[in-house]
Amino acid sequence: GESVGLHLPTLSVQEGDNSIINCAYSNSASDYFIWYKQESGKGPQFIIDIRSNMDKRQGQRVTVLLNKTVKHLSLQIAATQPGDSAVYFCAETRLKAGTALIFGKGTTLSVSS
Amino acid sequence: DSGVTQTPKHLITATGQRVTLRCSPRSGDLSVYWYQQSLDQGLQFLIQYYNGEERAKGNILERFSAQQFPDLHSELNLSSLELGDSALYFCASSATLGGWVGEKLFFGSGTQLSVL
Repeated sequence: GESVGLHLPTLSVQEGDNSIINCAYSNSASDYFIWYKQESGKGPQFIIDIRSNMDKRQGQRVTVLLNKTVKHLSLQIAATQPGDSAVYFCAETRLKAGTALIFGKGTTLSVSS
Repeated sequence: DSGVTQTPKHLITATGQRVTLRCSPRSGDLSVYWYQQSLDQGLQFLIQYYNGEERAKGNILERFSAQQFPDLHSELNLSSLELGDSALYFCASSATLGGWVGEKLFFGSGTQLSVL
């Protein structure tokens, strides 16, 4: 079936390092991708999105890269902080009413100081 | 605070029972989405309502049902509960029908259901 997955279930980094979280998607028809952050005891929170007509999009300390050729998505977090510790999910969909947002299984990012 | 309110926060019940989870969307949001989150399955989309009408359906079991009321709050009904239904159930809301676009989808803090 169609699914979005992540390469690593956990990632541990030191404070100040740059973090890269990867995600592979399988539906070549997906045209919209989102990264969500979920802290303990909370619901997912939007981080950044990207449409399939773009390769890269930057936010505040975060960058999303999209490689449609190999159906790969990554989230880069610059100067990782302890507050970035959370579970990160990538999600894919088609920008069409009635289409579900499909989440990957998540990568747990642990930042040590 | 996302503005989406879910009650109760925790629910403990027994197999075979029926429970109702409640969601109040952000003020003005017309779409409500239900998700199930378990350790092995991640976040699974269950169902979406827009202004009282069902608009999209995901992996929702026949034992589960939902509705959106005229005041736009939504309820998710889970019946004949099984041990495997234990999970965190999230509600999200958005202003529009196609609420996948970025920050327009807001999640509540979830209801943790434990079936014993």
